[in-house]
Amino acid sequence: ELKVEQNPLFLSMQEGKNYTIYCNYSTTSDRLYWYRQDPGKSLESLFVLLSNGAVKQEGRLMASLDTKARLSTLHITAAVHDLSATYFCAVDAQGAQKLVFGQGTRLTINP
Amino acid sequence: NAGVTQTPKFQVLKTGQSMTLQCAQDMNHEYMSWYRQDPGMGLRLIHYSVGAGITDQGEVPNGYNVSRSTTEDFPLRLLSAAPSQTSVYFCASSPPHTIEQFFGPGTRLTVL
Repeated sequence: ELKVEQNPLFLSMQEGKNYTIYCNYSTTSDRLYWYRQDPGKSLESLFVLLSNGAVKQEGRLMASLDTKARLSTLHITAAVHDLSATYFCAVDAQGAQKLVFGQGTRLTINP
Repeated sequence: NAGVTQTPKFQVLKTGQSMTLQCAQDMNHEYMSWYRQDPGMGLRLIHYSVGAGITDQGEVPNGYNVSRSTTEDFPLRLLSAAPSQTSVYFCASSPPHTIEQFFGPGTRLTVL
């Protein structure tokens, strides 16, 4: 059974600091997704990582994938308040868009 | 395109009542899915469909039924609502052989 674990689950940080969210998964997968969710809203797609060593960047967010370690990271550079949200990683183990999600990381960025 | 739409946005039921959550997409996507999101947890897959007439169970299917008579619509039926089904329900769709899912706005369901 595929399990996806994120850590930390809660993260409070100051503006301008850097930090990393980790996503571990238990079985082989070729697709890893990162989503953002604002309170009371739906999920917004951030990144889709398809292969070992994949790295994608958008603004202050950078995601990477190590399929051998079954680990993905979401790195936040010089955080700003607008990045406050809950971030989810999800893994598609069977290639049929059957996603298994991590628990989410609630990120709060303080001025 | 309206994307993925869900109705209603909010619903309160009493234990034992039945209802149908509606999901529609106008992007001609073959894949559609239903997820539930509980506090402190990620989304969990309830049922999914890879095309009209084809459905299958996800991780937490008990208490829910689905059918897919058209490409556009994928309703989720609760036959006899229970408090444990209090949750936020998200519908998603995607084209086949692609990598991205598009999520609807969600339905917040409370079962008393």
